[in-house]
Amino acid sequence: DGGITQSPKYLFRKEGQNVTLSCEQNLNHDAMYWYRQDPGQGLRLIYYSQIVNDFQKGDIAEGYSVSREKKESFPLTVTSAQKNPTAFYLCASSFSSGGGYNEQFFGPGTRLTVL
Amino acid sequence: AQSVAQPEDQVNVAEGNPLTVKCTYSVSGNPYLFWYVQYPNRGLQFLLKYITGDNLVKGSYGFEAEFNKSQTSFHLKKPSALVSDSALYFCAVRDPGSSNTGKLIFGQGTTLQVKP
Repeated sequence: DGGITQSPKYLFRKEGQNVTLSCEQNLNHDAMYWYRQDPGQGLRLIYYSQIVNDFQKGDIAEGYSVSREKKESFPLTVTSAQKNPTAFYLCASSFSSGGGYNEQFFGPGTRLTVL
Repeated sequence: AQSVAQPEDQVNVAEGNPLTVKCTYSVSGNPYLFWYVQYPNRGLQFLLKYITGDNLVKGSYGFEAEFNKSQTSFHLKKPSALVSDSALYFCAVRDPGSSNTGKLIFGQGTTLQVKP
């Protein structure tokens, strides 16, 4: 899992609550990504950021929000607007994403369960 | 539409036998292709990638993959499987519509089961 940490490992949320998932990297990577993993569906991109103070929506951004105030950190907030948030969330980072040839390094993941 | 397909949900092989995990892609332009492995309740680990050059790419843990442009395939291979290779394998391709972002399109994953 390299130099990427995610916390907590397990998270339980009541309906109507917002929760924030932490992602920190010490790899000096410029780009960071958030994915959602559901059984049998592979990984789907939620948000990504190529540089501090800038981020873009991925394929399934509705109900999620992010910030990128520091190069090392890219927290994800799952809001109450996300209708089916129970999933495994993966954070990743890579060197400059320009060109798209740099591999991404993944954190260990956070499993979110809505009660 | 850009896509990646892993046609087998599960591959079963005996330890010591060669293994192949299949991946085909459909993207415009030159594909940048990646293989990742995921062990239970863990993040993904990078295995190898094809950007350009030799069609046979060697990666971590004895894995290799062969890029075949005419068949639009990038199959993952290993000459002799180990029980510890049992995991979930993902093929991914750079989204050519987002070439400056590093955005990847992932296949649905193939579970590899290696039996002693």
